[in-house]
Amino acid sequence: GENVEQHPSTLSVQEGDSAVIKCTYSDSASNYFPWYKQELGKRPQLIIDIRSNVGEKKDQRIAVTLNKTAKHFSLHITETQPEDSAVYFCAASWKQAGTALIFGKGTTLSVSS
Amino acid sequence: GAVVSQHPSRVICKSGTSVKIECRSLDFQATTMFWYRQFPKQSLMLMATSNEGSKATYEQGVEKDKFLINHASLTLSTLTVTSAHPEDSSFYICSARAPVEGADEKLFFGSGTQLSVL
Repeated sequence: GENVEQHPSTLSVQEGDSAVIKCTYSDSASNYFPWYKQELGKRPQLIIDIRSNVGEKKDQRIAVTLNKTAKHFSLHITETQPEDSAVYFCAASWKQAGTALIFGKGTTLSVSS
Repeated sequence: GAVVSQHPSRVICKSGTSVKIECRSLDFQATTMFWYRQFPKQSLMLMATSNEGSKATYEQGVEKDKFLINHASLTLSTLTVTSAHPEDSSFYICSARAPVEGADEKLFFGSGTQLSVL
């Protein structure tokens, strides 16, 4: 089955700096790669996603890049703010409706002002 | 986005009792729902895939007789933790894929249930 590795496990940055979180996946059939932000005790919230037919996607301060050959994808947050502090999870799955997401172990991002 | 409702949000029970958690898709039909478990400061681990009108598919290491899943309608899946023990204390969260206008389906999560077994 699919296995998703995520690094780093913790990341501390100064407000205004950029943050990068990287993930690798094992199943070359995976074609959907979302990123979720989870605050303590709350549900994960989808912040951005990318499909395998696209190499990069951007939404304001957040961007995701995908390298299908190397089977890795990354989350980039620019101009970080204290409210970006949370746990971020990457995930991978097939597109088909019956396939679950397999999550990475998460990255705790701390943005200090 | 699509709404997935989960109840209860928090349960405290005695060891040996059973607890039922409900997961509803409010504005779409979900033939498939997924149940995850999350221990403190850990990732979401897939427990089982709930299929409407058929048996659930459990991940390796998840006891199907302990975690009973019923998906009797296109908008409701339930997870029953039978004979709960302290080691079952965890955050249980359901999810479902929903169509999103202008995009392919995306996965939305319920609000989660914090189970504490005394």
